[in-house]
Amino acid sequence: DTEVTQTPKHLVMGMTNKKSLKCEQHMGHRAMYWYKQKAKKPPELMFVYSYEKLSINESVPSRFSPECPNSSLLNLHLHALQPEDSALYLCASSQVDMGLVVYNEQFFGPGTRLTVL
Amino acid sequence: GENVEQHPSTLSVQEGDSAVIKCTYSDSASNYFPWYKQELGKRPQLIIDIRSNVGEKKDQRIAVTLNKTAKHFSLHITETQPEDSAVYFCAASILRQGGKLIFGQGTELSVKP
Repeated sequence: DTEVTQTPKHLVMGMTNKKSLKCEQHMGHRAMYWYKQKAKKPPELMFVYSYEKLSINESVPSRFSPECPNSSLLNLHLHALQPEDSALYLCASSQVDMGLVVYNEQFFGPGTRLTVL
Repeated sequence: GENVEQHPSTLSVQEGDSAVIKCTYSDSASNYFPWYKQELGKRPQLIIDIRSNVGEKKDQRIAVTLNKTAKHFSLHITETQPEDSAVYFCAASILRQGGKLIFGQGTELSVKP
């Protein structure tokens, strides 16, 4: 399996809802990422997990809560979001070379299109 | 921190012509430069990348060049086809520093038949 998969493809939620986004990869990659992308803009990094540990948090509001239960799975828990959080949420993964700690090319999933009403 | 500027923001070419997109970066420690293609409604796809120990890399109709001294790198697409139409993003990264990619603002390429 050479792909990153994400579910759901689309999500509509109210500002009081709690929902979760899921990302999965079976390429043996040990780094996984969450990005947020607005229309016609580049992806913005939110979180990086390396070997299932959070290594980068780009000062993301606490209404976004990441979780990495195992080396293949990455979740993003959403709570009390605002309409401005509506965006495409992309997951990515990359290989990490042990010892060198080199992060190689990142492969993106298809994204979850989130709308917050 | 790193900043990446990308030009032009839009580019329109005739089928068969060449297209060139340029990026400049600010942090001389950056050593990895990928290019992503994103078609409307789809995921960004890595099309080519280059590391700082290499000056040029080619893959069929696509090539990337890197000038470390000037801190700029470019994407060259030859013999463009309508299916090359997409938004292209350049990025810069420091390998060994957590995999953080700093993206340019994107170039919307339109190839007219």
